[in-house]
Amino acid sequence: DIVMTQSPDSLAVSLGERATINCKSSQSVLSSSNNKNSLAWFQQRPGQPPKLLLYSASTRDAGVPDRFSGSGSGTDFTLTISNLQAEDVAIYFCQQYYSSQCSFGQGTRLEIK
Amino acid sequence: QVQLVQSGAEVKKPGASVKVSCRGSGYTFRTYGISWVRQAPGQGLEFMGWISAYNGNTTYTQKFQDRLTMTTDTSTNTAYMELRRLRSDDTAMYYCARGGALRVAIIDYWGQGSLVTVSS
Repeated sequence: DIVMTQSPDSLAVSLGERATINCKSSQSVLSSSNNKNSLAWFQQRPGQPPKLLLYSASTRDAGVPDRFSGSGSGTDFTLTISNLQAEDVAIYFCQQYYSSQCSFGQGTRLEIK
Repeated sequence: QVQLVQSGAEVKKPGASVKVSCRGSGYTFRTYGISWVRQAPGQGLEFMGWISAYNGNTTYTQKFQDRLTMTTDTSTNTAYMELRRLRSDDTAMYYCARGGALRVAIIDYWGQGSLVTVSS
């Protein structure tokens, strides 16, 4: 099974500043068939189901603000939230869908400093 | 618009079974799959398995292999998740989510969740 590990577990960032969340997979999630990383990022606000932010490591889902960006390849990935807004307070999860046994990171809680 | 609407909260005793439904609308149900993900109180997301609404193929996480059954009814655009021999640590919010037709793929839309409480 592919294990996804996020860091940090929590962070506090000031409004308007940048937040960076890291995600590491125990094996590569880069698909040789299409040269795309099978890596997604989700945002979960309190009391809500998760919401897809990014897929293929860096492609924003429809309607996601361009303040959210993703980077990385293979086993190391980063979610960056620029110009932090109050509505960005949430837990963020990475997920690999490379394997049929897809798996999630443990989550990173983002708060306002 | 794409919607996944799940059945309501359930309270079950240890050893019982629960069956959660998930009705899709706003898209062609049989051209996608449905993944099931659970979240224990205050915890992270746990993938349970996936079913193709296209051909009925399933993938179950080994942890749930012997007590989990996923089905779909394409006549009503509904997916079902049945978990048997419930334990207290099965208390969680259970989510269905839209995924690929032939494999898990990208999960893009989620149901609102169904809270299952297991208590004696």
